Amino acid sequence: DIVLTQSPGTLSLSPGERATLSCWASQSVDSDFLAWYQQTPGQSPRLLIHSTSTRATGTPDRFSGSGSGTHFTLTISRLEPEDFAVYYCQQYGFSQGYTFGPGTRVEIK
Amino acid sequence: EAPLVESGGKVVQPGESLRLSCAASGFDFQDYAMHWVRQPPGKGLEWVSVISWDGLIMSYADSMKGRLSVSRDNTERSVHLQMKSLRSEDTAVYFCAKDLAIFGAVGAFDIWGQGTVVTVSS
Repeated sequence: DIVLTQSPGTLSLSPGERATLSCWASQSVDSDFLAWYQQTPGQSPRLLIHSTSTRATGTPDRFSGSGSGTHFTLTISRLEPEDFAVYYCQQYGFSQGYTFGPGTRVEIK
Repeated sequence: EAPLVESGGKVVQPGESLRLSCAASGFDFQDYAMHWVRQPPGKGLEWVSVISWDGLIMSYADSMKGRLSVSRDNTERSVHLQMKSLRSEDTAVYFCAKDLAIFGAVGAFDIWGQGTVVTVSS
């Protein structure tokens, strides 16, 4: 099974700053099958990005995804107050299984 | 109305069984695979199960394999997760989620329910 790790575990930034979150896979992941989710306290996860770089419906364009192989990145160009949350990467697909990373918490500095 | 609404979560004793349900609305339910994902208190997300759009293909997480059965009723627009031999480590919020890909199970999870809480404790 593919194992995903995320770094850093916690990112302390101020509103307006740029956030760069990493997701590392134990083996190569097809870029068509890598997603990012946002979860705020007490809420369900929300799909932000799928297929590595495709923004989901309603995702602001300050969120962007990139990467290939075993390293993927979620970038938030300028943090808004509502962006302080936990972010999970996920690899998905029936044949390769469905795995989430442990999450990166983006907190207000 | 929320597109996915879970129900059935409650406090149960170790070894007991429990059936969770997820009611769907507002999309063509019969065209999409459906997933269950759980989140233990204060922890991350763990995928649990998937059932194909037609109910013919199911898959389960290794951590719960043998103790789960997923089913769906496209007429009733609902999906169910039957869990048996529950353990304390199964305590979590259980979410149902819709697969993004039509007629496949190869998409990300684009719609999530609010979750239902399962607590396994003596």
